Amino acid sequence: GAGVSQSPRYKVAKRGQDVALRCDPISGHVSLFWYQQALGQGPEFLTYFQNEAQLDKSGLPSDRFFAERPEGSVSTLKIQRTQQEDSAVYLCASSLETPPVTQYFGPGTRLLVL
Amino acid sequence: GENVEQHPSTLSVQEGDSAVIKCTYSDSASNYFPWYKQELGKRPQLIIDIRSNVGEKKDQRIAVTLNKTAKHFSLHITETQPEDSAVYFCAAIQGGSEKLVFGKGTKLTVNP
Repeated sequence: GAGVSQSPRYKVAKRGQDVALRCDPISGHVSLFWYQQALGQGPEFLTYFQNEAQLDKSGLPSDRFFAERPEGSVSTLKIQRTQQEDSAVYLCASSLETPPVTQYFGPGTRLLVL
Repeated sequence: GENVEQHPSTLSVQEGDSAVIKCTYSDSASNYFPWYKQELGKRPQLIIDIRSNVGEKKDQRIAVTLNKTAKHFSLHITETQPEDSAVYFCAAIQGGSEKLVFGKGTKLTVNP
């Protein structure tokens, strides 16, 4: 079956632009996660949804970062007024049930802020 | 919160040799420990995981061991092959939460 998909795969933004990153989880997966992966580092947790409820947003680095999952399926991570330090790969993962269970990752969106 | 340390950061082995990667964690309430393999530019892929009620788990050439007392877990790859070359990440789920906390990764190179 189809895995987690993300779009766009690559995004170049000028500093100060707003960007929106999309995640399509595996069908039927209840939980959805966003991670940020800087070059040469491990993924770092940003936020977690169970269905449409955002249960943990403790990893969001600033109030410029906002995530939503209004219908409990597709999720969007929005970054306002992008800055160079936002350049990273943004990974989405989903799992069938509530943790701790296997999280399946998407291919990521590579964001470059110039 | 949880902190995961991973060693070594790079590991080079000859084809057919074994490779061992070690991780330690800080939160005694952590109860789930997955290992992911990430090839350059690709998504992290789960290769094996272990829960805190189990001490060891094997899947063909891959095994993971967990020592809850010492709060460390290790990945063992036997009979390594060039296609095992990748970055490997250990992770632990923070007790009382849903978030995975990752180590910094180990770049494994298997030389033919």
